[in-house]
Amino acid sequence: DVKVTQSSRYLVKRTGEKVFLECVQDMDHENMFWYRQDPGLGLRLIYFSYDVKMKEKGDIPEGYSVSREKKERFSLILESASTNQTSMYLCASSLKASGYTGELFFGEGSRLTVL
Amino acid sequence: AQKVTQAQTEISVVEKEDVTLDCVYETRDTTYYLFWYKQPPSGELVFLIRRNSFDEQNEISGRYSWNFQKSTSSFNFTITASQVVDSAVYFCALSEAVAGNNRKLIWGLGTSLAVNP
Repeated sequence: DVKVTQSSRYLVKRTGEKVFLECVQDMDHENMFWYRQDPGLGLRLIYFSYDVKMKEKGDIPEGYSVSREKKERFSLILESASTNQTSMYLCASSLKASGYTGELFFGEGSRLTVL
Repeated sequence: AQKVTQAQTEISVVEKEDVTLDCVYETRDTTYYLFWYKQPPSGELVFLIRRNSFDEQNEISGRYSWNFQKSTSSFNFTITASQVVDSAVYFCALSEAVAGNNRKLIWGLGTSLAVNP
């Protein structure tokens, strides 16, 4: 089975801290995605990557950056956390051939609270 | 504008009832894909089904069935004889082409289904 693992289920950080959210997948998928999920707003795409060292902005990239140094790992970075970044963060992966037309495999999510 | 509407925010049923989750989409594309995902309380979204715009056949998988109707731009999801384990948030999504060869995944806001014993 495909496994997408997010490093932390729950995090509490303070405003201004640098925050790293890590995501690892074990099925050799080329595509990886970071979403945030907020009540009433659904899933919104932050960044995605189609290959190692490659990144593309999603719909709400402001305040975030990403890193993809290895194929299996896609990191989301909050350079200076703010309270409006309190959210559930979801990582997903998929095969390159499928792109947006295929099945996404999701991790369990990381719930971040910024105080 | 491209859009996915799940008009039902929350649904509550009693176990063994049938329940239908509605999904209406808007797109200018002739080629697109529709999805349903399930998000149980554990948080991990799980893929349920994908349909492309050229395949209007209804799909049945156990207690789950999907009704795709292009004429009404709908892709509805029915759970027959619901069970407590079906309690989850269900998302409908649309994949369509944007500039160049890129595609974009557009999500509905989800329907929270509670199945009570």
